Amino acid sequence: QQPVQSPQAVILREGEDAVINCSSSKALYSVHWYRQKHGEAPVFLMILLKGGEQKGHDKISASFNEKKQQSSLYLTASQLSYSGTYFCGTGFTGRRALTFGSGTRLQVQP
Amino acid sequence: GAGVSQSPRYKVAKRGQDVALRCDPISGHVSLFWYQQALGQGPEFLTYFQNEAQLDKSGLPSDRFFAERPEGSVSTLKIQRTQQEDSAVYLCASSLKGEGSPLHFGNGTRLTVT
Repeated sequence: QQPVQSPQAVILREGEDAVINCSSSKALYSVHWYRQKHGEAPVFLMILLKGGEQKGHDKISASFNEKKQQSSLYLTASQLSYSGTYFCGTGFTGRRALTFGSGTRLQVQP
Repeated sequence: GAGVSQSPRYKVAKRGQDVALRCDPISGHVSLFWYQQALGQGPEFLTYFQNEAQLDKSGLPSDRFFAERPEGSVSTLKIQRTQQEDSAVYLCASSLKGEGSPLHFGNGTRLTVT
């Protein structure tokens, strides 16, 4: 039931765009996105709830396709500070805890 | 406090020893979660509390693992007779309310069993 994230790793130059995908084999209630830098706590980015909405702040946005049970995280005009590992956490109706994917390692180079 | 606080930050235990890991959540947060994170992997769910009630402990890997939150605030994760496979980062997270609330993670406790 662990969501599948792709790609596993990506290297970008500053200013380039990236898309990270998260797929579930089970019907989703919610998708959370977090970023974790080495040795630090995961930091919340955004939540998408069932309903196919798109959310965003600054140059990071996300979509949730309920039919396909997929979410995508969009990073535009990447900055050095975007480097880290991105995790999606999936929520299912009736289960409070999130199930996390194995992460996408993003490295932004100057 | 300003964020979720976990202690100790690092713990080295000899195989067979018992350890206790502490989590101090954000004041007023009803939900508290424990996750285990192996190197290069995503967090894996261990257990969940709503106030002092442990509502889900389906992720605890064995009966050597025990968690409590007696007064609905601070929580302790105890591992008895530690094994090498218990070596990991143990993350605590809290959230304000129910489904749809963001998780606020602590920096974790890195447990190394030798």
